[in-house]
Amino acid sequence: DAGVTQSPTHLIKTRGQQVTLRCSPKSGHDTVSWYQQALGQGPQFIFQYYEEEERQRGNFPDRFSGHQFPNYSSELNVNALLLGDSALYLCASSGGRWANEKLFFGSGTQLSVL
Amino acid sequence: SQQGEEDPQALSIQEGENATMNCSYKTSINNLQWYRQNSGRGLVHLILIRSNEREKHSGRLRVTLDTSKKSSSLLITASRAADTASYFCATAETGANNLFFGTGTRLTVIP
Repeated sequence: DAGVTQSPTHLIKTRGQQVTLRCSPKSGHDTVSWYQQALGQGPQFIFQYYEEEERQRGNFPDRFSGHQFPNYSSELNVNALLLGDSALYLCASSGGRWANEKLFFGSGTQLSVL
Repeated sequence: SQQGEEDPQALSIQEGENATMNCSYKTSINNLQWYRQNSGRGLVHLILIRSNEREKHSGRLRVTLDTSKKSSSLLITASRAADTASYFCATAETGANNLFFGTGTRLTVIP
């Protein structure tokens, strides 16, 4: 049973560029959440997708957008990259009645903005 | 903003000793969870305690929750070098679908 997979593992971009990160949830999970983790900090919630809709959003600007596909996989898009967007981006999946119980995380995408 | 604050920020112990980490939070919660993260990669769920529970055990892990003080503690007994990692508490607020993570405790277990 494959867990949560994310791609790519590492990415280097320059300021102003756009980036797309991808996530496949754990088999049987229908909810995907994205988190940003700056170095030395805890993960911060970006948004959550369920039934192809953004169900909840954290305190992130509109430059951060996402999508969920019918197979529950998800993409995170970041436009007009800033140096401060450099971080580890984590995808987490969950399922069942409660979306905020026992999240399964992928290994993350390390984004560096130069 | 992050809901939880962990204490201490870093902890170094000898193998075989117990490690205790504390977490404080600010609002009403449905549950509190603890996660482990090795080398800045993905987080692994360790244990969940609901707001109406006071203590929970899982293997070498013991979690307590005091909702009146808005605090929780994670005890790892008989620590091993493989327990070296960062540990985060995460809270699920009432009515919210996401988790709020703390700043983490970096645990080093010396063989």
